[in-house]
Amino acid sequence: DGGITQSPKYLFRKEGQNVTLSCEQNLNHDAMYWYRQDPGQGLRLIYYSQIVNDFQKGDIAEGYSVSREKKESFPLTVTSAQKNPTAFYLCASSIDLTVNSPLHFGNGTRLTVT
Amino acid sequence: GENVEQHPSTLSVQEGDSAVIKCTYSDSASNYFPWYKQELGKGPQLIIDIRSNVGEKKDQRIAVTLNKTAKHFSLHITETQPEDSAVYFCAASISNFGNEKLTFGTGTRLTIIP
Repeated sequence: DGGITQSPKYLFRKEGQNVTLSCEQNLNHDAMYWYRQDPGQGLRLIYYSQIVNDFQKGDIAEGYSVSREKKESFPLTVTSAQKNPTAFYLCASSIDLTVNSPLHFGNGTRLTVT
Repeated sequence: GENVEQHPSTLSVQEGDSAVIKCTYSDSASNYFPWYKQELGKGPQLIIDIRSNVGEKKDQRIAVTLNKTAKHFSLHITETQPEDSAVYFCAASISNFGNEKLTFGTGTRLTIIP
């Protein structure tokens, strides 16, 4: 089955540690995205990538970093500079960046930092 | 930038009754309005979308209406079933832009009471 795989489902880290969230897709999509979901808030865009070796900051990129070395993979690193890292993180992909290409989401990773 | 407000935040309806979720947007240039459904433990999934050149769109038990003058759009679910229980997100964007410009509402948790 084609889809987006996020791992792990739950992740626990100590404050001050960097942590990397995995996102892999086998849909052959060019565009990939990372969103953050907090209770009572809409999905907020962290980073997006239109194509391999290219990525752009979204609305809330501070304290996060990404890489796009392969078309299938778009890992997100939550650094110690992120003030409130505890959240639910969603990865998504689409055929291209246009709104005519609907977003396909993974099942998310819940990160807890204590 | 665009601001999308979504109401209500929670909604409970008896099985078989109808459910209506409403969103308002601020940017009159917005012309693409998707709705996503997020089931428990999963990522959001596109269920229906509408563009500003039409006032209504239906897909079986789901319909979306758009009022460009008032800048609001609504999701209507008829003959609700238990599997309709989920969190629903509206979003707005300008179709000339990309998915990176999608602005999401804060979500509505719909519970269908058997």
